[in-house]
Amino acid sequence: GAGVSQSPSNKVTEKGKDVELRCDPISGHTALYWYRQSLGQGLEFLIYFQGNSAPDKSGLPSDRFSAERTGGSVSTLTIQRTQQEDSAVYLCASSFRDRGGEETQYFGPGTRLLVL
Amino acid sequence: TQLLEQSPQFLSIQEGENLTVYCNSSSVFSSLQWYRQEPGEGPVLLVTVVTGGEVKKLKRLTFQFGDARKDSSLHITAAQPGDTGLYLCAGGGNAGGTSYGKLTFGQGTILTVHP
Repeated sequence: GAGVSQSPSNKVTEKGKDVELRCDPISGHTALYWYRQSLGQGLEFLIYFQGNSAPDKSGLPSDRFSAERTGGSVSTLTIQRTQQEDSAVYLCASSFRDRGGEETQYFGPGTRLLVL
Repeated sequence: TQLLEQSPQFLSIQEGENLTVYCNSSSVFSSLQWYRQEPGEGPVLLVTVVTGGEVKKLKRLTFQFGDARKDSSLHITAAQPGDTGLYLCAGGGNAGGTSYGKLTFGQGTILTVHP
């Protein structure tokens, strides 16, 4: 399809394990964002990529969280030594800016992470 | 830290009723977006407003951006069961100028329209 895809769609892991979440953005979108959606917390910004660079990592909750993007396309979000409070839906969005300068973010379906 | 207060959190109404969802902040945003999210899916953009005082209409939905670009509202006329979902407002950038689209989201309003 032409939309943003994320994998896996669901992930159940045990506390202390590492997990990798993948995002495939829309082809040609140079900007990519990761957000986290928790019950009662709304959507929280995690990190922003422009190409392969991450000029804004200010939303990453701790040093257990890291992300990379390669080839200006696929991005992976890695959570090391998962904790129960990491349980949430992790959403990825990619975007482009139109001729008028207006940016539209297109969201993937998310990865539902449950840490037991 | 920029915050967006969205209200109400929950709204349960009958088909045909009108409703308004509010989004307020003490910060100025360069743009304000409204999204709708269905269970198991990511948010889908409904509208972007960028000019203070701007009003946009999308069929039965009317979106307004406050004159000071700190608040916004979404009004739905004659709600239908198909309008059921999570509605999110999101502020883009700030007056000081991040040039990219980092979004600050409100908590969301869960709307249920009963037939």
